Amino acid sequence: KNEVEQSPQNLTAQEGEFITINCSYSVGISALHWLQQHPGGGIVSLFMLSSGKKKHGRLIATINIQEKHSSLHITASHPRDSAVYICAVGRSRNSGGGADGLTFGKGTHLIIQP
Amino acid sequence: DAGVIQSPRHEVTEMGQEVTLRCKPISGHDYLFWYRQTMMRGLELLIYFNNNVPIDDSGMPEDRFSAKMPNASFSTLKIQPSEPRDSAVYFCASSYPGVGNTIYFGEGSWLTVV
Repeated sequence: KNEVEQSPQNLTAQEGEFITINCSYSVGISALHWLQQHPGGGIVSLFMLSSGKKKHGRLIATINIQEKHSSLHITASHPRDSAVYICAVGRSRNSGGGADGLTFGKGTHLIIQP
Repeated sequence: DAGVIQSPRHEVTEMGQEVTLRCKPISGHDYLFWYRQTMMRGLELLIYFNNNVPIDDSGMPEDRFSAKMPNASFSTLKIQPSEPRDSAVYFCASSYPGVGNTIYFGEGSWLTVV
């Protein structure tokens, strides 16, 4: 079993729909990251969460530490949101603080049709 | 800032040849990460550095892979000898000081070993 599981693997929706992508993890974490990868290959960090909820424009990310679960929501989806969305966790093995290398989910391939 | 800069962007090499990938992190970032992305395995951590010191190299596949960070503004990932199964996109990333902070990825180096 992977340490980071995402669902769905693929999602096709119509423009304007509300999108939810889920991420579950099985290890202790220092932080959870949501990343976006466009067809050209570049990876952009959308959010870094250790608790609660964050919002940026039409994107909302939530995390429930007790349930080891996070969701990424996109409101009023648009074709330019089409990309692969990747959940990644930093392991809480560095008790002295500092960053950790990330462990990644397999990604969710999102297509928004006009 | 120009972001994380990687070179080369694309490389095609013959099996057995030495490959050197280069990375310039964002100025002021004291964490540097090397990741590899393949269709089969997704994104994986290879190695990361803090203040130029390797912290975790457990993801380095085998002795053919080596990474160095001689100073705060430069890192290399070397594969010698290269094999077709090393074909992948290699990403360098850097992050701010502190715990679980935002991570910035380079555009990636697309390696094909024939």
